[in-house]
Amino acid sequence: QVQLVQSGTEVKKPGASVKLSCKTSGYTFTSYVIHWVRQAPGQRLEWMGWIHAGNGNTKYSRKFQDRVTITSDTSASTAYMDLNSLRPEDTAIYFCAREQQLHNDYWGQGTLVTVSS
Amino acid sequence: EIQMTQSPSSLSASVGDKVTITCRASQSVSGYLNWYQQKPGKAPKLLIYSASSLQSGVPSRFSGSGSGTEFTLTISSLQPEDFATYYCQQSYMTPLTFGGGTKVEIK
Repeated sequence: QVQLVQSGTEVKKPGASVKLSCKTSGYTFTSYVIHWVRQAPGQRLEWMGWIHAGNGNTKYSRKFQDRVTITSDTSASTAYMDLNSLRPEDTAIYFCAREQQLHNDYWGQGTLVTVSS
Repeated sequence: EIQMTQSPSSLSASVGDKVTITCRASQSVSGYLNWYQQKPGKAPKLLIYSASSLQSGVPSRFSGSGSGTEFTLTISSLQPEDFATYYCQQSYMTPLTFGGGTKVEIK
């Protein structure tokens, strides 16, 4: 069965970077796009960007374009999201999600990132 | 950026009630509109894609309709497990954007 399993909780100081992972199984990793979406406390879901796991093409939200890098490791069937210059307002749960024809059919369980001095 | 507006932001309903949630887009998204259900501490779950297609495994009491800028999600007979927050998402263009959510609570 399709699974996306994300890395564990992170606590970072302002200005630091964080790299989250999303390990997939149960399907052909290189045939799909993986999205990253975050949710700050009490806020709506916010799209950050995507990567085509097969060819490495990426697309980022302008809001995060200068700070985010999404990569994939086909040998490990894993996608990564690197966010730098962290600020307290980046405190959120970060989700990865597989795209199936312009909708997200499978999601990871989420990773809590807390940014605090 | 396409703005997505949901109404109401919350509602109280009883088991067995029919519930309708509306999602409006600031410009046409054609039929590229998805609905998700989210429970506290969990990831969103896809219910409806392409405005009206039911995701595999989702109960048939959920349905979606609409096109262009106005969409609805209907739950024909609310069940105890349906108490959650519902989000619409447009996938017509990037940045993909979500509505603010509709929290469905027990009356």
